[in-house]
Amino acid sequence: GQQVQQSPTSLVLQEGENAELQCNFSTSLNSMQWFYQRPGGSLVSVFYNPSGTKQSGRLTSTTVIKERRSSLHISSSQITDSGTYLCAPTSSGQKLVFGQGTILKVYL
Amino acid sequence: EAAVTQSPRSKVAVTGGKVTLSCHQTNNHDYMYWYRQDTGHGLRLIHYSYVADSTEKGDIPDGYKASRPSQENFSLILELASLSQTAVYFCASSGLGYEQYFGPGTRLTVL
Repeated sequence: GQQVQQSPTSLVLQEGENAELQCNFSTSLNSMQWFYQRPGGSLVSVFYNPSGTKQSGRLTSTTVIKERRSSLHISSSQITDSGTYLCAPTSSGQKLVFGQGTILKVYL
Repeated sequence: EAAVTQSPRSKVAVTGGKVTLSCHQTNNHDYMYWYRQDTGHGLRLIHYSYVADSTEKGDIPDGYKASRPSQENFSLILELASLSQTAVYFCASSGLGYEQYFGPGTRLTVL
C-alpha cells in the first residue's frame, strides 16, 4: 500500500521566515491533498493538487508525480500559520493515506 | 454554514458500552468516510461508503461498524467500547473528485 513520509517532523521559525515542507510517497497517485490542523482542531484543506504547482496567497504547493514527492512552501510565515500540516495522497480509489505531519511553530 | 457536521462533539463512554457517532453532510457527496486520529498513529481510515445502504472496510475496521442510511448521514458504531478506542474521530465526504472535506471531529474518551 501507499507509504507516506513527511519532513521535517517539526519546524520552528521566526515570523517572516519561509518554510518548505516535504511529502514523499511510495506509489503512483491519483491526487494529493494538503491539510492544516490546529491543536485540538479539525482538518482544513489548504491544497488539492494532483500535479504541478498551485498558489494561494502565501502558500504554494508543488507535486511531481514522477519523483513521488509533493511540497508545501509558506512564504513570510506568520504566527497564525502555527499548527500541523498533513499531506495525504490518494492512490487507490478515494482513500487518503496520511503522513505523520509537520508541526510548525512560528514565533515573534 | 458547515457542510460536514458531527455529533456529539465529545463523549465519555464506559468500557463495554455502546457508542454511536453521527455524521451529516450537505455537500451532496456520494462518498463518506470515518477516520480516527491518535498521537503516534496519525489519521487512519476505519470505514467508508460510496452509496447509501452500503459500507466498506477501511484500514482499521476491527471493533467498529458503520451505517449509511441515506446519502447525507453516516454513523460509526462501537458495539463494545474499549479503552483502546479512545481517540478523536473525524468524518469526511467527497464527490466525484478526490478532494475530501472534514467535519469538526468527535473526541471520545472510554473509561
